[in-house]
Amino acid sequence: AQSVTQLGSHVSVSEGALVLLRCNYSSSVPPYLFWYVQYPNQGLQLLLKYTTGATLVKGINGFEAEFKKSETSFHLTKPSAHMSDAAEYFCAVSAGSGYSTLTFGKGTMLLVSP
Amino acid sequence: EAGVTQFPSHSVIEKGQTVTLRCDPISGHDNLYWYRRVMGKEIKFLLHFVKESKQDESGMPNNRFLAERTGGTYSTLKVQPAELEDSGVYFCASSQRDRGYYGYTFGSGTRLTVV
Repeated sequence: AQSVTQLGSHVSVSEGALVLLRCNYSSSVPPYLFWYVQYPNQGLQLLLKYTTGATLVKGINGFEAEFKKSETSFHLTKPSAHMSDAAEYFCAVSAGSGYSTLTFGKGTMLLVSP
Repeated sequence: EAGVTQFPSHSVIEKGQTVTLRCDPISGHDNLYWYRRVMGKEIKFLLHFVKESKQDESGMPNNRFLAERTGGTYSTLKVQPAELEDSGVYFCASSQRDRGYYGYTFGSGTRLTVV
């Protein structure tokens, strides 16, 4: 069984500030981890993924995440927030190859103020 | 390439009525998935097709939900009769073969409101 916990349903930052969205997971098998973003009136877009290999993963729009097995975490960061980053972000876990079902967290709404 | 297309984008129906949601996956994608997000809750898996066969339907909430995938192309999700708790956003996604670990391509979703 797998689960994902996203700390904070809403996170507010100022433009130019660091973005940190937290995600912790539990998985009985080595996990594949994902961050998705949903902009208003759009579908879910893949930001980045971790499958195997390098634990620091870079994604689109300047986002990155680090897989920390000892902490069962996969936090999403961006050094400098932009107004266009305002959206809802979802962390998800999959049991890996052959098990393609995603288990999502509840989502975190990122608010960016000028 | 065209993305995953879902329609309608919004649907408002009365309790007890029937609604059919449609999903057109990316051409050539054998895997098709349905997910649902009920207000305030997480996005949850409903079912997974491989071509026209149901690979996993463990997430289907009850027998009021019927999913089909004609000829391994588009898929429909019918809710009959609809209940208030069925309100939410229904997402469809597709992926190539057994490459779920690459992440799916999601559609924009259908927002269903049952009143």
